[in-house]
Amino acid sequence: DSGVTQTPKHLITATGQRVTLRCSPRSGDLSVYWYQQSLDQGLQFLIQYYNGEERAKGNILERFSAQQFPDLHSELNLSSLELGDSALYFCASSTGVAKNIQYFGAGTRLSVL
Amino acid sequence: ILNVEQSPQSLHVQEGDSTNFTCSFPSSNFYALHWYRWETAKSPEALFVMTLNGDEKKKGRISATLNTKEGYSYLYIKGSQPEDSATYLCAFRVGNEKLTFGTGTRLTIIP
Repeated sequence: DSGVTQTPKHLITATGQRVTLRCSPRSGDLSVYWYQQSLDQGLQFLIQYYNGEERAKGNILERFSAQQFPDLHSELNLSSLELGDSALYFCASSTGVAKNIQYFGAGTRLSVL
Repeated sequence: ILNVEQSPQSLHVQEGDSTNFTCSFPSSNFYALHWYRWETAKSPEALFVMTLNGDEKKKGRISATLNTKEGYSYLYIKGSQPEDSATYLCAFRVGNEKLTFGTGTRLTIIP
């Protein structure tokens, strides 16, 4: 158990809908990262927050947004969903310093029908 | 665009045999190279973080080496066991904290 909690584990929704994925980092970790893994693709970095502030942005679509709350949990909001958004979404956390090992949650599998 | 390449894409190894695979990354602006192990239906688990040229790390039967000048890292598994079956990911890091992942090497150990 990495200590990173993601909910829900599975999500099935329809095109055009909006969903929210939630992540609770390991105790003491200030950085949260979101990754997307689609079929036949590696883990694609979406966005990083550090202590409530956006720190780095990757290949995140404009229809997607994220935030990190004062208690350090983070939410990834995906809107106007398309079939191609079906993927495994991972959250990872780290202390944000030194070697910065990232600890991954179990992921949320999103299916857009 | 940072390109991290892993080879081979997949590998079948007889139980008891040793094996190795490669991660290639840009040799400029290097900060760290991470190795992760990802079992099916589980989350990626950190194996090593390597920062210095010539670094060698070991964890049980698994070890890794790093060459930052030429931009590659090798992961070795000695005496493969069925529980080693997983996808092994490497990830390259420049000065910030963002990791760029390769697509992984899927290792299957044949009993």
